[in-house]
Amino acid sequence: DQQVKQNSPSLSVQEGRISILNCDYTNSMFDYFLWYKKYPAEGPTFLISISSIKDKNEDGRFTVFLNKSAKHLSLHIVPSQPGDSAVYFCAAGDTGNQFYFGTGTSLTVIP
Amino acid sequence: DSGVTQTPKHLITATGQRVTLRCSPRSGDLSVYWYQQSLDQGLQFLIHYYNGEERAKGNILERFSAQQFPDLHSELNLSSLELGDSALYFCASSLRQGQDGYTFGSGTRLTVV
Repeated sequence: DQQVKQNSPSLSVQEGRISILNCDYTNSMFDYFLWYKKYPAEGPTFLISISSIKDKNEDGRFTVFLNKSAKHLSLHIVPSQPGDSAVYFCAAGDTGNQFYFGTGTSLTVIP
Repeated sequence: DSGVTQTPKHLITATGQRVTLRCSPRSGDLSVYWYQQSLDQGLQFLIHYYNGEERAKGNILERFSAQQFPDLHSELNLSSLELGDSALYFCASSLRQGQDGYTFGSGTRLTVV
């Protein structure tokens, strides 16, 4: 049973536009959420996180939004750059335990 | 370089065989996590060790086992290998249990033929 779902396997966006990646989770006990970015032949690298006490966290071009009532989070990248082309995984968990990962969304930013 | 070292990077073996994947966590990290990524699948949690003790098990088959040694490196043992075990196996580490996210290694690609 997939506790974290990323329903869009792929996304293409023009350079300079906004990329929005979505993620849904099922477990209401999850209180910490992360986004990871993965390039081919490399391990995932941490991008940004948010705890359940917040509904938004921003780091440069990256913003994560959390809607706890909908059990939904999203990652916004503005403006998108070709170097952002990668697979993005969202992860959710309760603090102190392991995180559950989604299946990933492959983002392609077109120059 | 993330600081998490996984060896070997690639492994090709036959069905029925046994292999050992090794992970050295980032310096100072006490937690080690193992994940499996199969084709078109997300990262499936296998097992978590904290300071030498098993803390959580996920979808880990009985044919698989792991341990974390006193120097904090970890090994994932896969036995009686089947074609379906072909996957990328990632190790991740963190200082505390599940907080601050993980630092991942670059993975071991296992191919069972």
